[in-house]
Amino acid sequence: DTGVSQNPRHKITKRGQNVTFRCDPISEHNRLYWYRQTLGQGPEFLTYFQNEAQLEKSRLLSDRFSAERPKGSFSTLEIQRTEQGDSAMYLCASSPGLRGGNTEAFFGQGTRLTVV
Amino acid sequence: RKEVEQDPGPFNVPEGATVAFNCTYSNSASQSFFWYRQDCRKEPKLLMSVYSSGNEDGRFTAQLNRASQYISLLIRDSKLSDSATYLCVVNDDYKLSFGAGTTVTVRA
Repeated sequence: DTGVSQNPRHKITKRGQNVTFRCDPISEHNRLYWYRQTLGQGPEFLTYFQNEAQLEKSRLLSDRFSAERPKGSFSTLEIQRTEQGDSAMYLCASSPGLRGGNTEAFFGQGTRLTVV
Repeated sequence: RKEVEQDPGPFNVPEGATVAFNCTYSNSASQSFFWYRQDCRKEPKLLMSVYSSGNEDGRFTAQLNRASQYISLLIRDSKLSDSATYLCVVNDDYKLSFGAGTTVTVRA
């Protein structure tokens, strides 16, 4: 399977615990995005990487959230001291990143986080 | 004001009907535009890109109006399998901004 891969697919955690999600983008895609989606809403932009550089971080992302893409390949998203409001689907997407081009982003199947 | 706004619907239409809906965007410098389809509890998948001259892909037609900053999607001869949420996506060079989605339900 050469698509975007995310794991785990589901995560249930107790409030206050830390969680980490992983995303493996399509090989050679240099752009990688993290989005969060709650029921009835469209995906909300969280952060974006161009290769290993994190170029933008949404104001939605509190200090409890951190993302890395250390070698410009896979990425991790960590949430510290989880809160019930963090419950959502966390989507990762990648794209070839042709500047100004009509390039689509390909999404993984997401990690569904439930904080209890 | 949200960056991308869509009529949430739902649009409930019979099989064979035509359904159309719009999306407006706030950044006049936005560079490219897409319609994604999302099925319940699944990831979004690209339906079609939207070009300035408008484009068609089978039963689907997308239009872009830069002056009024909106894009539209029209589905002809709708099928049961077209039931989904349609997400309007605007690309500002690197950041993809999504609308909240328009829900379409096609009934037999």
